Amino acid sequence: QVQLVESGGDLVKPGGSLRLSCAASGFSVSGHYMSWVRQAPGKGLEWISYSDNSGTKTNYAGSVKGRFTISRDNAKNSLFLQMSSLRAGDTAVYYCAREGIRGRLDVWGQGTTVTVSS
Amino acid sequence: SYVLTQPPSVSVAPGQTARITCGENNIGRKSVHWYQKKPGQAPVLVVFDDSDRPSGIPERFSGSNSGNTATLTISRVEAGDEADYYCQFWDLSSDRHAVFGGGTQLTVL
Repeated sequence: QVQLVESGGDLVKPGGSLRLSCAASGFSVSGHYMSWVRQAPGKGLEWISYSDNSGTKTNYAGSVKGRFTISRDNAKNSLFLQMSSLRAGDTAVYYCAREGIRGRLDVWGQGTTVTVSS
Repeated sequence: SYVLTQPPSVSVAPGQTARITCGENNIGRKSVHWYQKKPGQAPVLVVFDDSDRPSGIPERFSGSNSGNTATLTISRVEAGDEADYYCQFWDLSSDRHAVFGGGTQLTVL
């Protein structure tokens, strides 16, 4: 069964750091680009980062560039998101997603919740 | 940069047809994907590459894309279709990044 499971979400103070993980099963992440997408409370979906198959090429939304880092461990079939200098505006449910052909996000995890509050 | 414009809300009676638009200059040249998002659930891909359907998605869901508007059409709407719908494409003009529309809340009357 093709599946993504996120973990690592937590309550963190402004300025703090957090590392999210996304474990894949039923397929190899090495064969796919992967993305992180978030949804803040009452807001729409916001793409925040992608990684190519090897992790060599990455990019970020302007709202997180310089603060978040995407990485992957293909041997462990996992994707990660290191978040630092967290702000209240980063409060959201974070989803990892698999990219299929022509960039469609065809498999999504159930999400992990990050709350940034003092 | 691109801004995908969606109507905030669309309402339709059961059995009728819902059309959700996604506007941007020359979007017809892009490959647009559509996602269904229900509260507390992960997004689900319902249409990809403008008009194709993933396996398991009912034929009632269809898409089109031409000129400045991409459209998701849901025929014979059911109560279970009530959700937020998002269009999305990849902007390759500079650094590769995904663009989502603001989302449309579909209400089944």
